[in-house]
Amino acid sequence: EAGVAQSPRYKIIEKRQSVAFWCNPISGHATLYWYQQILGQGPKLLIQFQNNGVVDDSQLPKDRFSAERLKGVDSTLKIQPAKLEDSAVYLCASSLMYNEQFFGPGTRLTVL
Amino acid sequence: AQTVTQSQPEMSVQEAETVTLSCTYDTSESDYYLFWYKQPPSRQMILVIRQEAYKQQNATENRFSVNFQKAAKSFSLKISDSQLGDAAMYFCAYRRGSGAGSYQLTFGKGTKLSVIP
Repeated sequence: EAGVAQSPRYKIIEKRQSVAFWCNPISGHATLYWYQQILGQGPKLLIQFQNNGVVDDSQLPKDRFSAERLKGVDSTLKIQPAKLEDSAVYLCASSLMYNEQFFGPGTRLTVL
Repeated sequence: AQTVTQSQPEMSVQEAETVTLSCTYDTSESDYYLFWYKQPPSRQMILVIRQEAYKQQNATENRFSVNFQKAAKSFSLKISDSQLGDAAMYFCAYRRGSGAGSYQLTFGKGTKLSVIP
């Protein structure tokens, strides 16, 4: 069974530029999560989808971050414009409803 | 809000020895799950072990076991017969167990485990 796929694996951008990350969850997983992991900290939830609906986006900085999950499968997380403090690893996870979450390899973002 | 605290930023253990990683949490809920995740350098996070709060018996997965003290809100991970491949960041995490809404994982800051040959 294929795991959670993410791309790109690494991204370096200048501040005020925009960037997008892509996630493909495990086939059949209805629930998809985006976490932000800043160096030296544990991951923090940005947004949770159930199929293509948002369950929780209370910690998503909506002035610059946006996410969508069209057709309830793939998801895209966008940052526009990026700030220095957005440098982090962005993790995507998926689960069958509310069971175990499986994580992807992450996208490491560096904002210069 | 739930919080998870890992008070040991770094730990080391000799190969084949036993090490215990500590975790405390705070919650007002009665139905929840606790997890230990392993994150090797530049590799993805994987689940090591999980514990349901309603179960009194401590979870065990091969060389990994937990000491779940519900009243003290403590959840430690014991790794027996440590191997070089156990070297990684270990995260303790909390998740609510039921009801509508978010099932996000709340993580601690992690403990970096080094295994000495």
